[in-house]
This record gives sequence, structure tokens and C-alpha cells, in this order.
Amino acid sequence: NAGVMQNPRHLVRRRGQEARLRCSPMKGHSHVYWYRQLPEEGLKFMVYLQKENIIDESGMPKERFSAEFPKEGPSILRIQQVVRGDSAAYFCASSRTDRGNTEAFFGQGTRLTVV
Amino acid sequence: AQTVTQSQPEMSVQEAETVTLSCTYDTSENNYYLFWYKQPPSRQMILVIRQEAYKQQNATENRFSVNFQKAAKSFSLKISDSQLGDTAMYFCAFIMNRDDKIIFGKGTRLHILP
Repeated sequence: NAGVMQNPRHLVRRRGQEARLRCSPMKGHSHVYWYRQLPEEGLKFMVYLQKENIIDESGMPKERFSAEFPKEGPSILRIQQVVRGDSAAYFCASSRTDRGNTEAFFGQGTRLTVV
Repeated sequence: AQTVTQSQPEMSVQEAETVTLSCTYDTSENNYYLFWYKQPPSRQMILVIRQEAYKQQNATENRFSVNFQKAAKSFSLKISDSQLGDTAMYFCAFIMNRDDKIIFGKGTRLHILP
């Protein structure tokens, strides 16, 4: 059973370009979470999705950021018109349910560098 | 709002020694879960240990154990017989039973010295 798969592992974008980060949850998991980690910081919650639904996007910046988790295929975190401050590691996690006692499994992250 | 505080940005100990990482948190909730995650240089987030707030008994996983003091809102991690492979960032984290967001502390960078 493969773990949470994120790709690409590393992504370099010029300012103003779009960044697309992909996350395939573990088999049987229908809950996906995205987190952002700045250098020397902990992980900050961005968005929580279930299939075809955004459940909680309270951690998402109001502009340029969007996320989806379609019925088929991976979850996508999209950042439009990237700026230097978007440079960070972006982690995806998945779980079977949204109950607190269910373990969330993390992918290895995508390190986005904006030049 | 819930917060998680790790007051030790960095620590170093000799191999085979015991080390304790501190964590405090703030919440008005009564039901919640606490976690310690390990992040080695590979960046993979690995769950080390989990504690349910309603359980008085401290969780233990092999060389890893916690000291959970609910009244003091303290959740420290003890690593016994430390090994070189324990070198990593360690994050304390919190989640409410009814909520979906894991809230992380800023982490403690632990170096195990040969």
C-alpha cells in the first residue's frame, strides 16, 4: 500500500508563473489536508478537502491560492502568479476519516522555490 | 485559539543518553489529541507517539514516552537510549476531537552526537 504521494518533489517557478502541486492520498483515504512549512517553522494548515468538496479553507490566502480534490485523480494545490514569499515546502496529508483519533499520513512534500 | 509552544529551538545530546523535549499548549477544550512528529532530513513527517487527553496513562512507544500533564497543559517527549537515527526536527501537535486541523509547534531540532 503506497503512502501519500506528492509530486513534484521540487518545483522552481519564476515570479508570475503558476505552480501546480499534486497529492495522491493513500488508498482508501478520502480526506486530504494541505499544509505549508516555511524555513525553520512548523506546519501551518491551509485547506481540508474531501472528494469534490472543500470542507475548511480557513488557512488559505484569499487570493492566488486554490485547491481541489476531484472525484477522479489527485488533489491539486494551485498557486497563481507566484511571488517570492510563496517559496516553502508544501505537505499533503490524508486520512480515512476526519475524527481526531484517526492518524493522518503525510507525503514527503513539494519544495517550491520562486526565483 | 489553540496554540502549541516548543521552547527549545535546538538541542544536542550524546548517543545513548536520554533527552526530553518540552511542549506546552493552550486550549479551552476538554477532548483532544496530542502528537509528536519527527521530521528527518528527508522531510518525511513521521508520527512518533499519540496521546488521548481523556487517558491519564502516559503513552509509550518503545524508546519514546510522554509526560502528559493535563492540568498544566504540558506534553513532553522523552527519548531513551538515543540513537543517531533520532537526529531530526521534532514537532509537537494538537488536534481537537471535533475538528480537522492539526496545529503544530515550531519544532525542536535534535542532534544526536556520536
